[in-house]
Amino acid sequence: DTGVSQNPRHKITKRGQNVTFRCDPISEHNRLYWYRQTLGQGPEFLTYFQNEAQLEKSRLLSDRFSAERPKGSFSTLEIQRTEQGDSAMYLCASSFGGVGNEKLFFGSGTQLSVL
Amino acid sequence: GEDVEQSLFLSVREGDSSVINCTYTDSSSTYLYWYKQEPGAGLQLLTYIFSNMDMKQDQRLTVLLNKKDKHLSLRIADTQTGDSAIYFCAETHQGGKLIFGQGTELSVKP
Repeated sequence: DTGVSQNPRHKITKRGQNVTFRCDPISEHNRLYWYRQTLGQGPEFLTYFQNEAQLEKSRLLSDRFSAERPKGSFSTLEIQRTEQGDSAMYLCASSFGGVGNEKLFFGSGTQLSVL
Repeated sequence: GEDVEQSLFLSVREGDSSVINCTYTDSSSTYLYWYKQEPGAGLQLLTYIFSNMDMKQDQRLTVLLNKKDKHLSLRIADTQTGDSAIYFCAETHQGGKLIFGQGTELSVKP
């Protein structure tokens, strides 16, 4: 197992375009998380899944953002009609543990630049 | 509020001890975590402490927890240049998500 894998590593897009990122978690992990990180800040929670169920979305998350985990394995995060403010590092993490024991293992992230 | 607070910068000399401090908000957090992030990389879990413990030692790392003051610290003994990175503390919130601080940038000078 090579850990959490994210693709692509970098994405440059023009404002108004749609982008999709993929995350492959550690295979036995049932929880998958998406975070966003901007320069000089800590990771900001976006959403998370337990198996295929999306359990929580941040209230800060715009309707332009949607995430799926159709078979409880890999996940995709789509951003529609991108804006310059969406430029950030998008981090995926996975875990296998009950509530209160959330050792998250992170991927290397997808760096999004919106021009 | 939901803010986990950390000081932004710490500079030490190689061989000294580093102490990174954090104030968290959720007294019901079962575990508290320290993560390390090197440039261009994701976050790496360094260590964690269960909330009913006061201290945890793991090789050069010592975590201290003061639940009354909601204060968490990470001590790195014999700091090396390879320890230069950004260190994040994180608390668990209801639903299982982690809330992170802004990070403390540790600079180790030879």
